[in-house]
Amino acid sequence: AQSVTQPDIHITVSEGASLELRCNYSYGATPYLFWYVQSPGQGLQLLLKYFSGDTLVQGIKGFEAEFKRSQSSFNLRKPSVHWSDAAEYFCAVLYNQAGTALIFGKGTTLSVSS
Amino acid sequence: KAGVTQTPRYLIKTRGQQVTLSCSPISGHRSVSWYQQTPGQGLQFLFEYFSETQRNKGNFPGRFSGRQFSNSRSEMNVSTLELGDSALYLCASSLSASETQYFGPGTRLLVL
Repeated sequence: AQSVTQPDIHITVSEGASLELRCNYSYGATPYLFWYVQSPGQGLQLLLKYFSGDTLVQGIKGFEAEFKRSQSSFNLRKPSVHWSDAAEYFCAVLYNQAGTALIFGKGTTLSVSS
Repeated sequence: KAGVTQTPRYLIKTRGQQVTLSCSPISGHRSVSWYQQTPGQGLQFLFEYFSETQRNKGNFPGRFSGRQFSNSRSEMNVSTLELGDSALYLCASSLSASETQYFGPGTRLLVL
């Protein structure tokens, strides 16, 4: 069955430090992968997506992610975290069969310490 | 271009009542999907509509239903509300299948 795993429920990073959020997926076909961010009480904002091509994708707010097929991973990175990056981050795979649906991981909450 | 809009933003209902939530997609988007977000279950897919047809449905009871109009606006309905239906309901739109989904701000439903 299709699934997405985000192993880290909560991560705390110092402001200015680098960040990596992990995501592993299980999907039989070529995956379409996404990272979304959610601030408290808000909807989901798209950070970046991978459909095909270059395995390193750039997104908004200085985020990037690398698709590694051999490891079934799509980890999100940022070289220098800002306090405003504190939020919940969701990795998702697009399940495309007789219609489309996003399958989400459980999310990783990022706290930023000063 | 305006984003996805959802109305109302907040709702309080009592058990046994029914509720209708509305979603207006981004102009030109023909696919609308609905998701339920709860602390325990996370984000779960409810259903997807494209050109007024339900193409995909998640694992939810029949109390959850939806429809899409010719202008691509969508509504979802929950009948006979239960306490466990308290959640943030998110709507997302995309141009067509296998495209990026853009989310609205959600409707927060509280069932008492």
